[in-house]
Amino acid sequence: KAGVTQTPRYLIKTRGQQVTLSCSPISGHRSVSWYQQTPGQGLQFLFEYFSETQRNKGNFPGRFSGRQFSNSRSEMNVSTLELGDSALYLCASSRGGGPIQLAKNIQYFGAGTRLSVL
Amino acid sequence: AQSVTQPDIHITVSEGASLELRCNYSYGATPYLFWYVQSPGQGLQLLLKYFSGDTLVQGIKGFEAEFKRSQSSFNLRKPSVHWSDAAEYFCAVGGDTGTASKLTFGTGTRLQVTL
Repeated sequence: KAGVTQTPRYLIKTRGQQVTLSCSPISGHRSVSWYQQTPGQGLQFLFEYFSETQRNKGNFPGRFSGRQFSNSRSEMNVSTLELGDSALYLCASSRGGGPIQLAKNIQYFGAGTRLSVL
Repeated sequence: AQSVTQPDIHITVSEGASLELRCNYSYGATPYLFWYVQSPGQGLQLLLKYFSGDTLVQGIKGFEAEFKRSQSSFNLRKPSVHWSDAAEYFCAVGGDTGTASKLTFGTGTRLQVTL
């Protein structure tokens, strides 16, 4: 079974531009979560999508947005890039069960997209 | 709000020695706890998880962790470290949304293994 696939693996952008990152979850997984990893702030939760709806959201500005398609693939968009947005962006997928189905919430991570903002 | 503390930023052990990585969490109810490992340039790989039940959980690669509610800890252990275990280890907690889909991570512990 293929794992979580993130594309592209590396991106270089300049300040003010926007960027779109893509994540294909494991087959059968309906939940996709996004995390930002930086040396200063560590791993921080951005948002989670389940069945095309945003289910949870972290504390990031509105420049960070996402969406999920009917095939569970997800995209994350960052508009008006800032230098501080340089990071490794990780996507994780899970089956997405409810509270009594915790085992279905185990998250499997992709290799990430490394974004550099110049 | 849930939070995680990993007190050790960097640990060096000799190959074949035992290992214990510390993790303390803060959460009001029963937490969902995880340990992940990250090699350079890679994503996170799940080592083990705790949802409920037996407080000693076994994971992959010979790792285990023990949930101690009284100490709010979930320390990771391995009896004999291999050079390939050198990586960064993250403890994470979930549950404040009613699911384990929003994780709060510790700052990580970088493990160096000397031969």
